[in-house]
Amino acid sequence: SAVISQKPSRDICQRGTSLTIQCQVDSQVTMMFWYRQQPGQSLTLIATANQGSEATYESGFVIDKFPISRPNLTFSTLTVSNMSPEDSSIYLCSVEGGATNEKLFFGSGTQLSVL
Amino acid sequence: RKEVEQDPGPFNVPEGATVAFNCTYSNSASQSFFWYRQDCRKEPKLLMSVYSSGNEDGRFTAQLNRASQYISLLIRDSKLSDSATYLCVVNPADSSYKLIFGSGTRLLVRP
Repeated sequence: SAVISQKPSRDICQRGTSLTIQCQVDSQVTMMFWYRQQPGQSLTLIATANQGSEATYESGFVIDKFPISRPNLTFSTLTVSNMSPEDSSIYLCSVEGGATNEKLFFGSGTQLSVL
Repeated sequence: RKEVEQDPGPFNVPEGATVAFNCTYSNSASQSFFWYRQDCRKEPKLLMSVYSSGNEDGRFTAQLNRASQYISLLIRDSKLSDSATYLCVVNPADSSYKLIFGSGTRLLVRP
């Protein structure tokens, strides 16, 4: 399985500011995924990031709020823009793995609290 | 109806007990199924895949019932270290990556 480094591990931010989360993988991967896990909830896919193209966003998530970069095959960033307390969540990056790429492996997550 | 439904628990069991979790899914065409484990404030980690024939890994046994659209996880001889949230995860037939996560079942194993 890939080794995924995600940072920051946690942050406390003021309303209206933005936070960029970084995700580094130790091998080249085609797709990287960004998930959100709100308190007491399950994981929800925000978007899929492919190198060389714009990210594909899921219903309810937009690029202006969650811009994503994917400059190469081992790195991606997710920015949470103009934050509000409702954005307080754990944000997780992930990559595919397994024999047929049917499994997901996750970074350690970023716990975001917005005041 | 949620795509993947789990009893949130918590299941509070003594060490050594056997405990079983069930999970139901709505998409009958789903192809792949998994159990992930998530410790408090940590990322989910793959526990095991679930195959049609069922599979066993040590104290853990996973079963799939396609006719009834449910997945189960059995933990025998529970350890304190088994305390975690167990996420049922389904891969819809039309995607190789868009996994659908259940909201998890919380297990507490007490001494």
